[in-house]
Parts: sequence; C-alpha cells; structure tokens
Amino acid sequence: EDQVTQSPEALRLQEGESSSLNCSYTVSGLRGLFWYRQDPGKGPEFLFTLYSAGEEKEKERLKATLTKKESFLHITAPKPEDSATYLCAVQATGGGNKLTFGTGTQLKVEL
Amino acid sequence: DAGITQSPRHKVTETGTPVTLRCHQTENHRYMYWYRQDPGHGLRLIHYSYGVKDTDKGEVSDGYSVSRSKTEDFLLTLESATSSQTSVYFCATNRPGQTYEQYFGPGTRLTVT
Repeated sequence: EDQVTQSPEALRLQEGESSSLNCSYTVSGLRGLFWYRQDPGKGPEFLFTLYSAGEEKEKERLKATLTKKESFLHITAPKPEDSATYLCAVQATGGGNKLTFGTGTQLKVEL
Repeated sequence: DAGITQSPRHKVTETGTPVTLRCHQTENHRYMYWYRQDPGHGLRLIHYSYGVKDTDKGEVSDGYSVSRSKTEDFLLTLESATSSQTSVYFCATNRPGQTYEQYFGPGTRLTVT
C-alpha cells in the first residue's frame, strides 16, 4: 500500500527565515511525486512534479528535490503570501492515475 | 486554472437524503476524479473516470456512486447521505498534454445533519 507522510504538521516562520518541508513516501514503483499548495477554502494548486531521484524543480522562492525515499520543499526567504498548506502526493506505476496524498504541512509566515 | 467548476459550492442536507454533486470541466480530458478531504486524512480518492461511461472505484467508494454521460461532466451521488459523509469534496482532471498532473476544482463543502 502506498503511503505518504509529511512533516512537520505545522510550521511558523518569520519573513525571510528559510526552511524545508519533508515528504517521506513508500510506493511500489514511483511514477511521479507531486507538490501542491492549498489556500483556505480553495482547491489544491499544482506546483511541481518530480519523476526520479536527484531531480530538482524551482519556482520563485520554492525548490523541490527528490530522493528514493523522500522529497523536500525548500522555501527560501519566505514572505507572508507563502502562507498555505503544502500537500505532497505520489503516483505509482501500474496504479492508473491515482494519487496518494499526505496530510500536509500548514505553513504560516509572519512579518 | 484547469477550467473546472463544481456545484453546488455549499450544501447542507439531512441524513438519509440523496445528494448529487456536479463537476464540469472545459479541458476535454478523458480522466476525471472525485476526492474527499477530511482533517487528519488528507485527500482520498472516491471514484474516477477514464472516459464516458467508464468509471472505477477509489479507496473510499462505499456509499458513493458516479456517472459520466458526457466528457465534460462527472457526477458524484450519495444515495442516502450519512453524517460520516460530511466533508469537502474536490473534483480534478488532467490537462491536455499533461499526462499525470491533476488539477483541482474549488470544492464543495457538504454538511450532513
């Protein structure tokens, strides 16, 4: 059974204080690992897809990395508008298009 | 946005009543999905469709049925709503040219009293 564990559950940062969110996964064969951002009352917003260990993707202050067991979402010099819940999901080979999600990390960036 | 709308956005219903949620997409993609999101559980797949009249179960399909008579519409039905089905329901689809990434609608908040 595919499993995704995200840590920490919640994180509070000061503006400009860089940090990382962790996503540990267990999957029979990884087709892709996905990061989403979710604002309160809204649907998840797609950020990145990572396909193989060693791959990195960047978007503004966010950088996602992937190893064979976990992924990190690095946030550099965050701003208050980066406050959101960040979700990680995996898709297994041979599992159709199904996504298995973690429970998310709730990030709050304060001035 | 992936051109996904959901209706209604909010609904309160009583235990035992039937409820249908609608998802409409303008991406013309053959894959569509229904998820529910609950505190402590994250997003869980209920049902998905890989074409008109082609559907399959996800991990939490008990008590739910789906129908897809047109590419753009995917309906989720609770035949007899229970309090355990109080949740936020999200529809998703893929975009043309994007094989694996799923894009989500704004959600429907359902309360069963």
